[in-house]
Amino acid sequence: NAGVTQTPKFRVLKTGQSMTLLCAQDMNHEYMYWYRQDPGMGLRLIHYSVGEGTTAKGEVPDGYNVSRLKKQNFLLGLESAAPSQTSVYFCASSYSVAEGGGYEQYFGPGTRLTVT
Amino acid sequence: AQSVTQLDSQVPVFEEAPVELRCNYSSSVSVYLFWYVQYPNQGLQLLLKYLSGSTLVKGINGFEAEFNKSQTSFHLRKPSVHISDTAEYFCAVTPNDYKLSFGAGTTVTVRA
Repeated sequence: NAGVTQTPKFRVLKTGQSMTLLCAQDMNHEYMYWYRQDPGMGLRLIHYSVGEGTTAKGEVPDGYNVSRLKKQNFLLGLESAAPSQTSVYFCASSYSVAEGGGYEQYFGPGTRLTVT
Repeated sequence: AQSVTQLDSQVPVFEEAPVELRCNYSSSVSVYLFWYVQYPNQGLQLLLKYLSGSTLVKGINGFEAEFNKSQTSFHLRKPSVHISDTAEYFCAVTPNDYKLSFGAGTTVTVRA
């Protein structure tokens, strides 16, 4: 049982380049999330999904897009990377209350992205 | 909307000494509360949570937290820390079963 995995672990982009971060979970969780972590700011929610085929904006969605075509995967895309997007990105997943969840989220190991 | 304030950004502490990390929140509705720990270069893992019932909750690794509704606080404590407790600790709240709001984090450094 791998839990939540993220690909890649590290990436360096030039300004204007695009990339996709992949998150996969094997716990059959209904909900999935993308956060960014910046020093002194905690984790801020970028986008989230409450089920396959659905996505919604979080606190800091600008410059990012997401897709949830399969229940186990949640993709985060940067269409035109900017230095302000240099950060550590975390994916998380959780059960819904209807599934018997206890409200806690399970986190992946993170992707460290640098945009030069 | 909810907001979370962690009152200390850095807490240095000696090994075997007690530690308390302070967390206050604001919300117009009832919330569920969590503490997560992040060890260096790792993701977050749940330490403990308060959903309902007893206001004193116990978590992993000897940590406990007390929910105080009147003071809107959820402070985390450990009576005796180890070097391995060196990490960043995050307080988080949610009014539903998704969309956590996190505090800025408290870095605990345990010294021998």
